[in-house]
Amino acid sequence: EPEVTQTPSHQVTQMGQEVILRCVPISNHLYFYWYRQILGQKVEFLVSFYNNEISEKSEIFDDQFSVERPDGSNFTLKIRSTKLEDSAMYFCASNRQGAAGANVLTFGAGSRLTVL
Amino acid sequence: AQKVTQAQTEISVVEKEDVTLDCVYETRDTTYYLFWYKQPPSGELVFLIRRNSFDEQNEISGRYSWNFQKSTSSFNFTITASQVVDSAVYFCALSGMNTGNQFYFGTGTSLTVIP
Repeated sequence: EPEVTQTPSHQVTQMGQEVILRCVPISNHLYFYWYRQILGQKVEFLVSFYNNEISEKSEIFDDQFSVERPDGSNFTLKIRSTKLEDSAMYFCASNRQGAAGANVLTFGAGSRLTVL
Repeated sequence: AQKVTQAQTEISVVEKEDVTLDCVYETRDTTYYLFWYKQPPSGELVFLIRRNSFDEQNEISGRYSWNFQKSTSSFNFTITASQVVDSAVYFCALSGMNTGNQFYFGTGTSLTVIP
């Protein structure tokens, strides 16, 4: 069964460092997402991406965050200068059409980021 | 506003008991979709079911069943004859036609099935 893959599974970094989280969405999917889950809390939307540009972003997704699809397969989330409160599990997701909810989001296994 | 409430934060049951996880939602959209995802201890989010707002038929899939009631804005999930492998955090989520591509998740219910 096709799956969304994420790397790394766990990254530990010092406050102020840049972090790049990588995702390979399902190959025939067109819409890509990043969600965040702070430990023990709910899953929160960060950003959606379609046709090589951001289609929506939440207020969490400030100037410290950026997304990119540098080639035909990878979808990355960059945090420029990490803060302690960025510690969370980051989930990449994709779906085929993106039309609000009509298609199920397939999530990756997550990348756990720990900022010290 | 879109909102999903899962009032039960933690539930413990003994194996083979039935358990119902509650989900109440708020939306102004007339067309919307409801979902349940499972998050096992390994951390990934696993899709369980999707239901659209026009389909109030209840669904049964093996030991799982879902009760969607628009009148009470609820989409409850029942596990029959629970097993230890059902231990996980379960999230209810909502996506509306007018909310773009965002899914709104509840805070999750942590289910522990005791052998």
